[in-house]
Amino acid sequence: DTAVSQTPKYLVTQMGNDKSIKCEQNLGHDTMYWYKQDSKKFLKIMFSYNNKELIINETVPNRFSPKSPDKAHLNLHINSLELGDSAVYFCASSPGLAGDEQYFGPGTRLTVT
Amino acid sequence: QKEVEQNSGPLSVPEGAIASLNCTYSDRGSQSFFWYRQYSGKSPELIMSIYSNGDKEDGRFTAQLNKASQYVSLLIRDSQPSDSATYLCAVTNRDDKIIFGKGTRLHILP
Repeated sequence: DTAVSQTPKYLVTQMGNDKSIKCEQNLGHDTMYWYKQDSKKFLKIMFSYNNKELIINETVPNRFSPKSPDKAHLNLHINSLELGDSAVYFCASSPGLAGDEQYFGPGTRLTVT
Repeated sequence: QKEVEQNSGPLSVPEGAIASLNCTYSDRGSQSFFWYRQYSGKSPELIMSIYSNGDKEDGRFTAQLNKASQYVSLLIRDSQPSDSATYLCAVTNRDDKIIFGKGTRLHILP
């Protein structure tokens, strides 16, 4: 019974394409996040949503657009993919506001060729 | 000045010994502190959270917080090979934003 799930697990695509990653949590948490972990393993927050409302939007290119249809889902759409977008993207959720204990999904390894 | 700093390691510790992982942070207004463990190719997993000065123990793990020195540490007693992983320190700053350190790679020598 997966708590935080992401699809797909692997994504290989060419430069210039548009792709989406989906995330769902069944923990009843109010806040969801997207993180990017680069090749040096640095985990950096991209976005945070609380009850479908955007509360953290770090300095990421406009090509990245999160969408939260309800508080259990937070999807990430990426336009015009670039080589530098290659990374592992983690979705996470926390019970309360941003900054609470976080529970991570399994990650999506994105490779842009 | 980096917001959350950790020694990248690798830190090599003999099996059965105590592993000591350290983390410093820059925002004196930080209130919440976390340690996550990440195995290679896996997602971060929460091990400990600590919110007030002092020690907090959970099984073989002890988190220590010293807000005056802006320092948080994780001790792992009776280290096991299965403890070999990267340990991420995370701090929630005064803006309620969680900042992760770059992690310390821990290697337990059998």
